[in-house]
Amino acid sequence: RKEVEQDPGPFNVPEGATVAFNCTYSNSASQSFFWYRQDCRKEPKLLMSVYSSGNEDGRFTAQLNRASQYISLLIRDSKLSDSATYLCVVNSRDGNNRLAFGKGNQVVVIP
Amino acid sequence: DGGITQSPKYLFRKEGQNVTLSCEQNLNHDAMYWYRQDPGQGLRLIYYSQIVNDFQKGDIAEGYSVSREKKESFPLTVTSAQKNPTAFYLCASTKETWGEQYFGPGTRLTVT
Repeated sequence: RKEVEQDPGPFNVPEGATVAFNCTYSNSASQSFFWYRQDCRKEPKLLMSVYSSGNEDGRFTAQLNRASQYISLLIRDSKLSDSATYLCVVNSRDGNNRLAFGKGNQVVVIP
Repeated sequence: DGGITQSPKYLFRKEGQNVTLSCEQNLNHDAMYWYRQDPGQGLRLIYYSQIVNDFQKGDIAEGYSVSREKKESFPLTVTSAQKNPTAFYLCASTKETWGEQYFGPGTRLTVT
């Protein structure tokens, strides 16, 4: 089983709509969870950390479900500028200072 | 401004040549990482270093070498032994264990 699994999509979303996707992880002992955004041919940039209580940053909401070992990202009122690939990131199962990256959820916001 | 720089942005080399990619950070981070990304793929860890003069192999270290002589610098050498070197190479650093990593802008290497 891969450490981090994401449905690559693409997720085609009408402008103004809401989109949500999940990411599953295999290491039940994971303690750190993040969502990164990566634009085409650019480096990944931290979107938000994911806390046990969930967290919200403007139109973006992240949730953590430890029992089922998944994290989610919800984007409300989608903007054209939200088009990107969203990477799910979890600390690695080998116990070292490493992160495991999913392949990403590609979001395309359509006018 | 604090950040991570990588140079050059684009690099072209002939097969059989070694090439060194630069990564510098002024964030005072202890840990630094090198990743490789191929089209449609996730990031794969090549090497990482948690402290000066120490580094560990990642998942795909074969054909690569690194050094960490200074806290600010973590250069990556792609050797001729690397079978498929053409890729997007990303350097990252982090302040604390399992903390978020910050990425440089990347180097796109093409070997023909």
